[in-house]
Amino acid sequence: DSGVTQTPKHLITATGQRVTLRCSPRSGDLSVYWYQQSLDQGLQFLIQYYNGEERAKGNILERFSAQQFPDLHSELNLSSLELGDSALYFCASSVVKSSGAEQFFGPGTRLTVL
Amino acid sequence: QKEVEQDPGPLSVPEGAIVSLNCTYSNSAFQYFMWYRQYSRKGPELLMYTYSSGNKEDGRFTAQVDKSSKYISLFIRDSQPSDSATYLCAMTSGGADGLTFGKGTHLIIQP
Repeated sequence: DSGVTQTPKHLITATGQRVTLRCSPRSGDLSVYWYQQSLDQGLQFLIQYYNGEERAKGNILERFSAQQFPDLHSELNLSSLELGDSALYFCASSVVKSSGAEQFFGPGTRLTVL
Repeated sequence: QKEVEQDPGPLSVPEGAIVSLNCTYSNSAFQYFMWYRQYSRKGPELLMYTYSSGNKEDGRFTAQVDKSSKYISLFIRDSQPSDSATYLCAMTSGGADGLTFGKGTHLIIQP
């Protein structure tokens, strides 16, 4: 158990809908990262937050957004969902702000868009 | 050319064998190198973390980084059936840019 929690475990929804994925980092970790894992693309970095502020963006679509709250939990919002958004979404956390190297991953949320 | 290349396998070896897993990369800015193990439908688990070039050993696992060749390896000694999983290499320059992952190698240890 990495100490990172994610809810829900599974999410099934329809095209065009909007969903919110939630992540709680390990105790003491200030950085939260979101990743998407699909069969064809592998694990892709989406976005990073550090202590409530956005730090870096990766391959995140404009339909996706995230935020980190004062209690350090984070939410990833996915809107206008398409079939291709079906994937595993992982949250990771780390202590170190700058190297971001030792990231610990949560169990993931499996999103199915029908 | 992808930034990180990793043979997807599957790689099948008998129990007790030494396993060698490898990644090559193209971005010379990468400074931190990680190996993750991922069981089916689970989150990646951090196995090894290395900064810059050199070797690092932890139990049955040894990670090697050769920055001059842009090549990293993970060796597993005395492999066990419980080591059967997908192994992902990951790396970063150390800036706030997230990790760049290989596609993963599916490893099967035959009892």
